[in-house]
Amino acid sequence: GAGVSQTPSNKVTEKGKYVELRCDPISGHTALYWYRQSLGQGPEFLIYFQGTGAADDSGLPNDRFFAVRPEGSVSTLKIQRTERGDSAVYLCASSPGGSKTQYFGPGTRLLVL
Amino acid sequence: AQRVTQPEKLLSVFKGAPVELKCNYSYSGSPELFWYVQYSRQRLQLLLRHISRESIKGFTADLNKGETSFHLKKPFAQEEDSAMYYCALIEGGSEKLVFGKGTKLTVNP
Repeated sequence: GAGVSQTPSNKVTEKGKYVELRCDPISGHTALYWYRQSLGQGPEFLIYFQGTGAADDSGLPNDRFFAVRPEGSVSTLKIQRTERGDSAVYLCASSPGGSKTQYFGPGTRLLVL
Repeated sequence: AQRVTQPEKLLSVFKGAPVELKCNYSYSGSPELFWYVQYSRQRLQLLLRHISRESIKGFTADLNKGETSFHLKKPFAQEEDSAMYYCALIEGGSEKLVFGKGTKLTVNP
């Protein structure tokens, strides 16, 4: 079946601009996660959704970052006033209810110039 | 503070040799431990988790609570094992994965 998909695969933007990154989880997966991976580092947790609500947003670095999942399926990560330090690969993962196994998407590579 | 430590950034072995990728964690409770793998130009995928006690692709990992370690082992490495390996944990009551920085394994012919 189809795995987690993320669009766009690459995004280049200028400092100060607004970007949206999209994640389509595996159909039926109730949990959705966003991670950020900087060069040479492991993925770092940003936010976790259970259904439509953000159950844990403790990893969002500041208020420029926001994520939504209005219908409990697709999620959008929104970054305002982008900074060069936001450049990273943004990973999305999903998991079925009651499982700790997370299935990852291919990631969106964000470059802020 | 780093909660998952993978001391080797790079590890190189020859085909057929044993391989061990080290992982240590710091957490006072009972975490769930995982190994994820990322092959070249592929997405991150689960290799194994400690509670399933499986052997996947010849790899095993034993949770040692006394040493707070979860080392990944394979007795005979294959060239197709070359990849980036990440150790990760989920703390009790949490759902988020906490990753180490990863070890790049290269298996030479």
